[in-house]
Amino acid sequence: EPEVTQTPSHQVTQMGQEVILRCVPISNHLYFYWYRQILGQKVEFLVSFYNNEISEKSEIFDDQFSVERPDGSNFTLKIRSTKLEDSAMYFCASSVVDMNTEAFFGQGTRLTVV
Amino acid sequence: QKEVEQDPGPLSVPEGAIVSLNCTYSNSAFQYFMWYRQYSRKGPELLMYTYSSGNKEDGRFTAQVDKSSKYISLFIRDSQPSDSATYLCATGGYQKVTFGIGTKLQVIP
Repeated sequence: EPEVTQTPSHQVTQMGQEVILRCVPISNHLYFYWYRQILGQKVEFLVSFYNNEISEKSEIFDDQFSVERPDGSNFTLKIRSTKLEDSAMYFCASSVVDMNTEAFFGQGTRLTVV
Repeated sequence: QKEVEQDPGPLSVPEGAIVSLNCTYSNSAFQYFMWYRQYSRKGPELLMYTYSSGNKEDGRFTAQVDKSSKYISLFIRDSQPSDSATYLCATGGYQKVTFGIGTKLQVIP
């Protein structure tokens, strides 16, 4: 069964450092998403991406964040200068169509900022 | 006002019980209503979704939406220990999905 793959599963970084979280969406999917879940809180939408452009983003997704599809398979989330409050599970998702009802989620990357 | 509200539980039931999970939402513009299951330290997995008001059944699971009261429900019949997980209700559909905090369910053998 096809799945969304995220690496690494756990990343520890020092405050102020840049991190890149990687995702390999399902191969025929065209729409890509990042969500985050701070421990004990809701899953929150960060950004959606289609045709090499951001199509929607939340207020959380400020200038510290960026997304990229550097090649035909990877989809990345970069945090430029990490803060303690960036510690969370980050989930990548993808879908064939522009409908989150069809989105598949990855297993997540746990980011710990120390 | 929070967009999607959900009792975090935990909810413990004996095996075989009927489980009722509920959410309320605030934005009457929402048209799609989803239920996700999330196991510990895993990503959300879509269980089912409904469009607008009404019921939808899939095996032991029934999703119900009442748009007049902005109320979303998920019923699990003949609950199994393998149903133990956190259940997230969500609304949206296009692009952004808004999640509830999730209800932690434990089905006791």
